[in-house]
Amino acid sequence: KNEVEQSPQNLTAQEGEFITINCSYSVGISALHWLQQHPGGGIVSLFMLSSGKKKHGRLIATINIQEKHSSLHITASHPRDSAVYICAVPEETSGSRLTFGEGTQLTVNP
Amino acid sequence: GAVVSQHPSWVICKSGTSVKIECRSLDFQATTMFWYRQFPKQSLMLMATSNEGSKATYEQGVEKDKFLINHASLTLSTLTVTSAHPEDSSFYICSARGRREGSYEQYFGPGTRLTVT
Repeated sequence: KNEVEQSPQNLTAQEGEFITINCSYSVGISALHWLQQHPGGGIVSLFMLSSGKKKHGRLIATINIQEKHSSLHITASHPRDSAVYICAVPEETSGSRLTFGEGTQLTVNP
Repeated sequence: GAVVSQHPSWVICKSGTSVKIECRSLDFQATTMFWYRQFPKQSLMLMATSNEGSKATYEQGVEKDKFLINHASLTLSTLTVTSAHPEDSSFYICSARGRREGSYEQYFGPGTRLTVT
């Protein structure tokens, strides 16, 4: 079964700072998910990636398949980016059931 | 934009009543849908997996007679919480897996907050 580790667990930043959240997993995967969950609970799918890098606005996600590691970056962070960020990977190499990281609580102060 | 929707986004019901939550894939056909629940400060927990036209597969410890799942079409799955009790109060999230924009991927719905009084 895939083991997922996210770091850091909690992150506090000042508005404008560059943010990096890391995710490591143990078993080779077909795609990795980055999710955002706001205090009200709503989940937003940010990225699904299987290789390289994806960018959407101020968010950038990268993945290194060989090292089994992904990073989520937020440029020019803003208080509205405050949320829990969760990475999720398939339980096994070819499965669709997901294993979730513990999440990273990000707080961006004005 | 969102590719998976859930309705309602929140619901309050009285103990003993049943509540139905809908999960729709908006611009693709979802061959598989997943239902999760999440308690405060905890990670998502898979409840069941459903494939279109067949019975759902429930995770260990999830009562299939209490959490009824119907995946009658390629764009709609429903979760009905029957005879709800306060301990069923939770955040319920669906995800849908299917072919979209040329690749076969999984997308999450925004979630439904259920409060049972």
